[in-house]
Parts: sequence; structure tokens; C-alpha cells
Amino acid sequence: EAQVTQNPRYLITVTGKKLTVTCSQNMNHEYMSWYRQDPGLGLRQIYYSMNVEVTDKGDVPEGYKVSRKEKRNFPLILESPSPNQTSLYFCASSIGQGGAYNSPLHFGNGTRLTVT
Amino acid sequence: AQSVAQPEDQVNVAEGNPLTVKCTYSVSGNPYLFWYVQYPNRGLQFLLKYITGDNLVKGSYGFEAEFNKSQTSFHLKKPSALVSDSALYFCAVRDPRAGKSTFGDGTTLTVKP
Repeated sequence: EAQVTQNPRYLITVTGKKLTVTCSQNMNHEYMSWYRQDPGLGLRQIYYSMNVEVTDKGDVPEGYKVSRKEKRNFPLILESPSPNQTSLYFCASSIGQGGAYNSPLHFGNGTRLTVT
Repeated sequence: AQSVAQPEDQVNVAEGNPLTVKCTYSVSGNPYLFWYVQYPNRGLQFLLKYITGDNLVKGSYGFEAEFNKSQTSFHLKKPSALVSDSALYFCAVRDPRAGKSTFGDGTTLTVKP
């Protein structure tokens, strides 16, 4: 089954304790991206990657890191989480080859992060 | 910079009535426009897209959307709403050169029996 898999689904942590949220897709997609969803703010893009070893900042990258060492994986790293990073996080992927950005995004089921 | 506006936080309709969820956009060049739906505790699911061609686009679950270039709008419609259509709906625009997607704030659709 074609899917984007995020882990964990729920995570409660304390301020300053480094964490990683994993994202993996099995559709051979070039494009991957991370979003955070907050009430009344819709989805805001954190980072995106158009291919292996290529990453770019989205609209709200502060406090986050990403890496794209393999095509299928795109982990989100919070080096020193703070309470304002409490949010619902989504990973997404799509075809991106040859500028084919008319393809829809495929989303994971989300990771609900709470930082106390 | 591209942007998307969904002017209504909430839309309420009775089952069997037509529904419209509004979206306007701002982008340089030709837009790639999308609608997604989100059910509780789930990720977003693709409904339909406009790339080029006919202004009326048909998508999943009986939804359709009307692209209007002069009004820079891409409203989501359905002729007869179902209770199961109740969900959070997002309009999005995608940059055709770089792939960056920008989402609206979302509209909660509630269909009452």
C-alpha cells in the first residue's frame, strides 16, 4: 500500500530534550515536506526537500532541522524543543521529477507533539 | 509570494442541500490549485486539483470546484451534502516552479441531518 508513515503518533517531552520524528514514504517520491498545524493557522511549511541531499526552508523553520540522506526518509529534528513547538506535525510527499508539481501531496497521519 | 484565503472558518448546511466552501488565491503566473479534506485524527486527503483546462473540475466523493481566473477563486462545491462530508477542508496553491505549497487556514464543514 502506498503510504507516508510517521512515527511516533503521539509524543510528550520536556523543554530542551532533543527529539526526532521520523517520516518514510514508499512511493519513490522526490519531493518531501514537513508542516505544522495549529488551530486557526492552517498548515505552515517547516522544511521541504526536492530530492536527496537538497533541503530548503519553508515559512517557519526556526527551531527545526531536517536531513534527506535517502529518498524515502525525511526526519524532522528538534534539537532543543520549546513549549511553542507544541503542535500537530505532518509529513507529506509527492512526485517532483521534472518539475511535475501539479501532483497532489500525500500526507502521513500526523504526530501530536507536546512540549512541557 | 503566493497566498490562499478561506474567508469562512465554519460552514453549516443541511443534509441534501448544496454546499460551497470558498477559496481565493494570489500567485504570480498560472496557479496549481488543490483541495484537501481532513477527518479527525487523520492526515489530509487529496480531493481535486486544477492545473489547466476546464474551469469546472470534478474530484472524489462527488465534489467539484470552479476555477475563476478573473476573481482568483477556486470554490469547492457539492450538489447534495452528506453528513459524512463533515470535516475540515483546506485549499492550497502550489508553486509550479519550486513545488512549495501554501495552505489556507481551513474551513470546518458541518452537515446536519
